[in-house]
Amino acid sequence: AQKITQTQPGMFVQEKEAVTLDCTYDTSDQSYGLFWYKQPSSGEMIFLIYQGSYDEQNATEGRYSLNFQKARKSANLVISASQLGDSAMYFCAMREGGTGNQFYFGTGTSLTVIP
Amino acid sequence: DAMVIQNPRYQVTQFGKPVTLSCSQTLNHNVMYWYQQKSSQAPKLLFHYYDKDFNNEADTPDNFQSRRPNTSFCFLDIRSPGLGDAAMYLCATSRDPGHYTDTQYFGPGTRLTVL
Repeated sequence: AQKITQTQPGMFVQEKEAVTLDCTYDTSDQSYGLFWYKQPSSGEMIFLIYQGSYDEQNATEGRYSLNFQKARKSANLVISASQLGDSAMYFCAMREGGTGNQFYFGTGTSLTVIP
Repeated sequence: DAMVIQNPRYQVTQFGKPVTLSCSQTLNHNVMYWYQQKSSQAPKLLFHYYDKDFNNEADTPDNFQSRRPNTSFCFLDIRSPGLGDAAMYLCATSRDPGHYTDTQYFGPGTRLTVL
């Protein structure tokens, strides 16, 4: 089974609108971390936001927030007030407690912001 | 600013001609990782160093080797590049991979072309 599933290969959003990128995960561990990365066409993977499995509040970082629904095993990224510079690939990733070095990535969602 | 640096950003090599990619970090992190990323795919972990300890992924071809002469630097050597090795190579670092909160920070990547 896939550890991380991103079901939206491509998304479009109007500039200044909000957009939600979906991510579901599969783990039997109680301790795990969820991460979102942005990868523009230049190639660099930019860390955006982190959510821990024990965190009761949804993580927020500026215009990024993580809608964490533990029972549904989902960790959706919400980008508010989209900007043209938000056009990029977005990867959801997970690290499980105790497995050490393995970082599980999803297949990514390509976001295009339309002026 | 603390960061992960990769050189060169673009590398062109010939089929079968050895090539070395470099990565350096000013974060003083214990772990350095090398990923291969092909077009429209998630990054694939090749190997990582935890301090001086080298950890190879089971499915990483023997053609790929790595060296970490000190904490700051790590090299990826491709002994005999094939056309299938053309990809983006991403270096990442992290502090404590034994914990699920451990975040990986990526460099800008080296885009390798094999002629």
